[in-house]
Amino acid sequence: GAVVSQHPSRVICKSGTSVKIECRSLDFQATTMFWYRQFPKQSLMLMATSNEGSKATYEQGVEKDKFLINHASLTLSTLTVTSAHPEDSSFYICSVGEGAYTEVFFGQGTRLTVV
Amino acid sequence: SQKIEQNSEALNIQEGKTATLTCNYTNYSPAYLQWYRQDPGRGPVFLLLIRENEKEKRKERLKVTFDTTLKQSLFHITASQPADSATYLCALPNSNSGYALNFGKGTSLLVTP
Repeated sequence: GAVVSQHPSRVICKSGTSVKIECRSLDFQATTMFWYRQFPKQSLMLMATSNEGSKATYEQGVEKDKFLINHASLTLSTLTVTSAHPEDSSFYICSVGEGAYTEVFFGQGTRLTVV
Repeated sequence: SQKIEQNSEALNIQEGKTATLTCNYTNYSPAYLQWYRQDPGRGPVFLLLIRENEKEKRKERLKVTFDTTLKQSLFHITASQPADSATYLCALPNSNSGYALNFGKGTSLLVTP
């Protein structure tokens, strides 16, 4: 199965700054990657679908100008949280899959804390 | 709206017993359903996938059932071990986003020796 590496695993940033999170598919060429966010004791919420070579597709209620997604290659997608605020503090997780009816592989997640 | 509901309360069982976790869904007609395990501070790990035309699926000590009439899946861990302690997530295909998944909140399982 696919191995997904996410970096950094933890980041603390000041309010108003931007933070970039990388998601790499190490052994699988991923035309599509997914970004999720998880608040404590809550379910994983799909934020956006990252499409290689084209614009990301955002879920309703997710600000595309705040959460910038770039999927420039088949092995790398990045999520940039711009002008971060304390309410953006959360656990961000990326995932890769081979299509419907197959398992999905997740990165280890990034714990973002905005102070 | 679409909902995936899992037991919100933690499930505590004794080692060796069978753990049974429930997933109920509404406003879905899923072609398949998946179960994942999530440890604290980590991403989910895939356990089992069951298709709508399958009643039951097994993998080692794990068993999943899928009742599309009741709109329910049951997840069983037999001969449970302390290492099985984790949060278990039920997931259904996101109807709007290709093969992305929608997740329930998960059920926390604690297996005590």
